[in-house]
Amino acid sequence: SQTIHQWPATLVQPVGSPLSLECTVEGTSNPNLYWYRQAAGRGLQLLFYSVGIGQISSEVPQNLSASRPQDRQFILSSKKLLLSDSGFYLCAWSVQTGGGSPLHFGNGTRLTVT
Amino acid sequence: AQSVTQPDIHITVSEGASLELRCNYSYGATPYLFWYVQSPGQGLQLLLKYFSGDTLVQGIKGFEAEFKRSQSSFNLRKPSVHWSDAAEYFCAVGDSSGGGADGLTFGKGTHLIIQP
Repeated sequence: SQTIHQWPATLVQPVGSPLSLECTVEGTSNPNLYWYRQAAGRGLQLLFYSVGIGQISSEVPQNLSASRPQDRQFILSSKKLLLSDSGFYLCAWSVQTGGGSPLHFGNGTRLTVT
Repeated sequence: AQSVTQPDIHITVSEGASLELRCNYSYGATPYLFWYVQSPGQGLQLLLKYFSGDTLVQGIKGFEAEFKRSQSSFNLRKPSVHWSDAAEYFCAVGDSSGGGADGLTFGKGTHLIIQP
């Protein structure tokens, strides 16, 4: 069966520090991969998605970037965090069969920028 | 572009009572529709999905949802709620046009509170 791992679970970082959140998927090949951010009362905002190694699409211009160095690894990064980057970050995967594929989520990372 | 509206930010229901969470979508064709549940501090878990066919879909944990094209709705229901159903619920729509690699569009969620 497929599993998705996301770490760390919680992170407290000062403003201006770098960020690296990692997500890996097991049990499937060539998945679509996604990073969402969840802010209180604002639902889920799609940040990045990837359909293959090295292929990244950005939905929202911002202080963050994403990379996919391996088929089942997805990394969210920042060079300098802002206070507004605080939130709950969720990684997800789906099979590559179009818009009908449900997303399968990791347990999330709670990021607090101080 | 597709969108999802969940009109109720909070819903309070007594344990054992029935539940209906509302979801309205905006999409040009027949959409793919989903309901997810999120416990505090956790990721989202898929409850059920609608692709085509029977408009009443059954999901996990005793939930069901009904697709009503005329009302652009996909409301989630449960006949009798349990205290463990207290959580955040999200409705989502996916692109049925053959693309869709860009994920799902989510509503802002409904927070369900269960009264003893």
